[in-house]
Amino acid sequence: DQQVKQNSPSLSVQEGRISILNCDYTNSMFDYFLWYKKYPAEGPTFLISISSIKDKNEDGRFTVFLNKSAKHLSLHIVPSQPGDSAVYFCAFRSSGAGSYQLTFGKGTKLSVIP
Amino acid sequence: DAGITQSPRHKVTETGTPVTLRCHQTENHRYMYWYRQDPGHGLRLIHYSYGVKDTDKGEVSDGYSVSRSKTEDFLLTLESATSSQTSVYFCAISGDWGQPQHFGDGTRLSIL
Repeated sequence: DQQVKQNSPSLSVQEGRISILNCDYTNSMFDYFLWYKKYPAEGPTFLISISSIKDKNEDGRFTVFLNKSAKHLSLHIVPSQPGDSAVYFCAFRSSGAGSYQLTFGKGTKLSVIP
Repeated sequence: DAGITQSPRHKVTETGTPVTLRCHQTENHRYMYWYRQDPGHGLRLIHYSYGVKDTDKGEVSDGYSVSRSKTEDFLLTLESATSSQTSVYFCAISGDWGQPQHFGDGTRLSIL
């Protein structure tokens, strides 16, 4: 039973345009939502997060949106840069049992074309 | 960058042999985690630790054991490696359960 769906395995965007990455979830107990970026041969790097009491959080070029009613999480990158080319994972933490555990999406490979 | 070192970075071994992966941190963080990453599965939690000698199972713990005798070290052991355990293994740490986890650079393990 997939609690998290990151439906787009890949995305290509022109440099300077907006990149939008999406995740859908089913578990109503998720209360903290994160995005990680991963370059080849490196570990995932924390990018940005949002708690369930908010619907938007910004950090420079990165904005995370949370739509709790639709159970939808998105990451906007504006403007996109070639250095943003990486695999992006959404991750979710539950407020209930297993709250030490993060549940990850399968990842979306973003390619920013110069 | 968080001070996390995984060793070895690469290992090739044979089915049935024991394997131990090491995660060492210099951040004095309480929480440590082992994940595996496989194509089509994202990252999945194997085991985690919430203090010295305090560990618990994650989503995919079968075939793995862990130990944490010191704050800075978290060991993952495959008692008898199988080909299905071929994967990239990541260690992560966090200072508090509410804080984002920070990851090491991974160990690529191939079991032939």
